Amino acid sequence: DTGVSQNPRHKITKRGQNVTFRCDPISEHNRLYWYRQTLGQGPEFLTYFQNEAQLEKSRLLSDRFSAERPKGSFSTLEIQRTEQGDSAMYLCASSFGGHSNQPQHFGDGTRLSIL
Amino acid sequence: AQSVTQPDIHITVSEGASLELRCNYSYGATPYLFWYVQSPGQGLQLLLKYFSGDTLVQGIKGFEAEFKRSQSSFNLRKPSVHWSDAAEYFCAVRMYSGGGADGLTFGKGTHLIIQP
Repeated sequence: DTGVSQNPRHKITKRGQNVTFRCDPISEHNRLYWYRQTLGQGPEFLTYFQNEAQLEKSRLLSDRFSAERPKGSFSTLEIQRTEQGDSAMYLCASSFGGHSNQPQHFGDGTRLSIL
Repeated sequence: AQSVTQPDIHITVSEGASLELRCNYSYGATPYLFWYVQSPGQGLQLLLKYFSGDTLVQGIKGFEAEFKRSQSSFNLRKPSVHWSDAAEYFCAVRMYSGGGADGLTFGKGTHLIIQP
């Protein structure tokens, strides 16, 4: 069990640029989740996948955000035309199975800073 | 909509003393409840979870939590804290999934400070 891996760990970019983050879940996990965490707050749910299907998107996921999981393994989260308010920690989590009682395992996150 | 309240933003405890972190949830049915811990700059580590059955659940690192339906609470406890327990603690709730709404809802967290 190598855990959930996220890359990069840190990303600094100028406002208006596009950024892409990658998440590699635990290998046998079919569910993958993205969360955003701002300073002093708990994580907020953005979206989740079961295999390659994106099953739910939060209202927080504006049209500048897009997530993919093309082969049901790793996932990418892209933010287009970044804004100051996008500065946050972006966390990925994965879980096994189709029942809600399976715990989610988190990666160490990608910290995004917008200049 | 479900929600989670952690009333204490900061708690300071002396090393070796007991600890209780409070968590209240708002949800119509019995939820799935979790406690996670986060060290600075790191992701979240699962401490323990409650789904059903025995209302007192044991977790890692000597933590336990008690589900009280009548109080809509799921408080985290530890009989004797260690300096390494200093971190941010998050309570989370997950709605039963019938095919949708599967994300966790987190509280705002409690920052635990350990005094020597």
